[in-house]
Amino acid sequence: DGGITQSPKYLFRKEGQNVTLSCEQNLNHDAMYWYRQDPGQGLRLIYYSQIVNDFQKGDIAEGYSVSREKKESFPLTVTSAQKNPTAFYLCASSHRVFGQTTNTGELFFGEGSRLTVL
Amino acid sequence: KNEVEQSPQNLTAQEGEFITINCSYSVGISALHWLQQHPGGGIVSLFMLSSGKKKHGRLIATINIQEKHSSLHITASHPRDSAVYICAAPANAGGTSYGKLTFGQGTILTVHP
Repeated sequence: DGGITQSPKYLFRKEGQNVTLSCEQNLNHDAMYWYRQDPGQGLRLIYYSQIVNDFQKGDIAEGYSVSREKKESFPLTVTSAQKNPTAFYLCASSHRVFGQTTNTGELFFGEGSRLTVL
Repeated sequence: KNEVEQSPQNLTAQEGEFITINCSYSVGISALHWLQQHPGGGIVSLFMLSSGKKKHGRLIATINIQEKHSSLHITASHPRDSAVYICAAPANAGGTSYGKLTFGQGTILTVHP
């Protein structure tokens, strides 16, 4: 079955350490996204990618980095520069990137990764 | 920037009741998404609609482009419908707004048996 796989589901990190969250999709989607969710808040966009070897900053990119070396993979690294990294992270994909006049097709989400910094 | 407002924020119902969740947005869009977030955190896309009405099982979504308003209805609600329901719309008006959706705060639905 096609879908998005995120790993790990739960992750604990000490302050000052970098950590990488994995996101893999087998839907043949061009566009992939990383969102952060904090309690009581809506999802906020960290990074997105329209195509392999290209990615763009979202609204809260500081302290994060990504790569898109393969179409199916879009890993997110939470660096030590991220001041408040404890959050729930969601990866998503769609056929095409969202645009105000662009119909992108359905959004697919992973199950999320919950990161806690100790 | 598109402002997306959902109401109510919390909704409690008895099994079998008809549920309505509302979503308003401030600028014109190509399509609006309704999402369901399970207690474990995973999110499932329920609908993507750009006009009229869509139905899937007991779920119905409607959108009025002129009024910039969408509703999600659940008929014959069941405890397994308990989840957070989120609407999302493209973030910017005009031009390109690649990659950016504005998400509503979510509606927490609890259905009691």
